[in-house]
Amino acid sequence: DQQVKQNSPSLSVQEGRISILNCDYTNSMFDYFLWYKKYPAEGPTFLISISSIKDKNEDGRFTVFLNKSAKHLSLHIVPSQPGDSAVYFCAASGSSGDKLTFGTGTRLAVRP
Amino acid sequence: DGGITQSPKYLFRKEGQNVTLSCEQNLNHDAMYWYRQDPGQGLRLIYYSQIVNDFQKGDIAEGYSVSREKKESFPLTVTSAQKNPTAFYLCASSIPGTSWGRPQHFGDGTRLSIL
Repeated sequence: DQQVKQNSPSLSVQEGRISILNCDYTNSMFDYFLWYKKYPAEGPTFLISISSIKDKNEDGRFTVFLNKSAKHLSLHIVPSQPGDSAVYFCAASGSSGDKLTFGTGTRLAVRP
Repeated sequence: DGGITQSPKYLFRKEGQNVTLSCEQNLNHDAMYWYRQDPGQGLRLIYYSQIVNDFQKGDIAEGYSVSREKKESFPLTVTSAQKNPTAFYLCASSIPGTSWGRPQHFGDGTRLSIL
């Protein structure tokens, strides 16, 4: 039972344009969401997060949007840069925060 | 420089042997976690520990064992009972209780291959 889904396994974007990565979840008890970026043979690094009481959180080029009614979140990267090419995972946790449930990841390729 | 160290980066073992993966952190985090990543899949939680001398099973604990004798260390043993142990293993740590504003920090992983 995949509680966090990233339905697009890959995405290719031109440098300078916007990258939009999507994530859907099924568990209504999730109330905190995170995005991680991962390069090959390395551990994921934390990018940005959002709590369920918000619908938007921004950090530089990265913005996360949360639509609770649709159980959907998205990560916007603008402008996209070649160094953004990596696998992006969304993750979710309940209020206790002791466990994260990860999606399957989306591989982003930013073309120069 | 604070962080999480996983060793070794690559590990090869014969089928039927137990193998232990090391994870050490100097972030002073109470909580530590072990995940497994397979190609095309997300990270799946094996075991986690909120405090020294205590740990809980995650979603795929069968065939694995852990110990938490020190705050800094959370070794994972892949036993011969694990049917498909070849994978990329990731260790993480965090401040427990809530992940609000306190994301998990990850090591660079150990790739285990069973020959």
